[in-house]
This record gives sequence, structure tokens and C-alpha cells, in this order.
Amino acid sequence: EDQVTQSPEALRLQEGESSSLNCSYTVSGLRGLFWYRQDPGKGPEFLFTLYSAGEEKEKERLKATLTKKESFLHITAPKPEDSATYLCAVPRSRNSGYSTLTFGKGTMLLVSP
Amino acid sequence: NAGVTQTPKFQVLKTGQSMTLQCAQDMNHNSMYWYRQDPGMGLRLIYYSASEGTTDKGEVPNGYNVSRLNKREFSLRLESAAPSQTSVYFCASSDLLNIQYFGAGTRLSVL
Repeated sequence: EDQVTQSPEALRLQEGESSSLNCSYTVSGLRGLFWYRQDPGKGPEFLFTLYSAGEEKEKERLKATLTKKESFLHITAPKPEDSATYLCAVPRSRNSGYSTLTFGKGTMLLVSP
Repeated sequence: NAGVTQTPKFQVLKTGQSMTLQCAQDMNHNSMYWYRQDPGMGLRLIYYSASEGTTDKGEVPNGYNVSRLNKREFSLRLESAAPSQTSVYFCASSDLLNIQYFGAGTRLSVL
């Protein structure tokens, strides 16, 4: 069964302290890996899609990278407003022929001033 | 441009009561989804609708029914609510790149 595992479950950083979040997956024939940000009390918000090993995408202080088995979300010099839960997801094929997303449980990031 | 709109935002039910959660999207997306999110469990797919007129079960469909009313609207019904259905429910729709756009959620408590 396709699985998505995120680590760590929670991460506390000081403002300016760079770090990385991990998303490992076991899926045959990856057709994209998605990163989302979720603020407390809100729905997830799309950040990036990565399709092939070696691909990188950046948005402000965030950079997402992809290998054949995992993806990293690097956060450079984070600010308190980067505090959120970060979710990754991979497509899963259904018997209907359609594909849906399987989400990891997320990493809760807290950036202190 | 509202995106995905869910109603109500909050609801408290007694065990055995029924209710319908409403979802509408204005992005002309074909596919729509219902998830529940529980602490430590992440987002779990309840039902999805790949296109107007079709619905299929996700990972946790028991105790729920759905209706794809038209291309814009996808509702989730709890026929006889149970305390185990206390959760936050999210509706989403997706574009042709499979990017999902989420509503703000419905927080449901079943007493």
C-alpha cells in the first residue's frame, strides 16, 4: 500500500535558524509529490508540485527538493510567520482509474522570535 | 473569487441526529473531495467525485453519504451521527494538474 511518512512530527526553530522537513514515500511510479501549508483553523494551501528526481522549486524562504524515495522542504532563515503545519501528498491510483492524493500526517513547525 | 466555500463552519450534534455539510466551488473544477482531519491521523479521504454524476468511496466512507448535485456542489451527509464522527471536515476541488484547493473546514462535535 502506498505510504507517505513525514518527519519530524514537530519542529521548533529560532527565527533565522534554517532546517529541513522530510517526506518519504513508498509508491510505484511516482506521478508528482505535493507540498501544502496549513495554518491553524484553516484548510491546507498548495505550495509546490515536484515531478521528477532532482527537481527543485522555491518560494520565498522555502525550497522543495525530490529524490527517488523522499522529498525535503528546506526552510532558510525562517520567520515566525512561517509557523504552520506542512503536509506532503502523493497521488494514489484508484480502481476507478482516477487518482486521489494520499497525505502524510504533517510536520508542525513553530518559529520563535 | 471565493474558491471553495463550506457551510456551516461549526456544528454541534447529538448522537443519532443527521446533518448535511455543504460545499461549493467556483473554479469550474471537475473533481471534488471530502476529507476528515483528526489529531494524529492526518487528512483521510471520505468520498470523492471525479466528475459530475460520479462518486466513489475513499478510505473512511462508513457512516457517510455524498451527493454531487451539479458541477459546483458536493455535499456530505451524516445520517445518524456518532461521537466517532467528531472531526474537522474539509472539502476540496482539483484542477487538471491534480492540485487540490481546500475550503476553510467545518468543525463538527457529536455529543
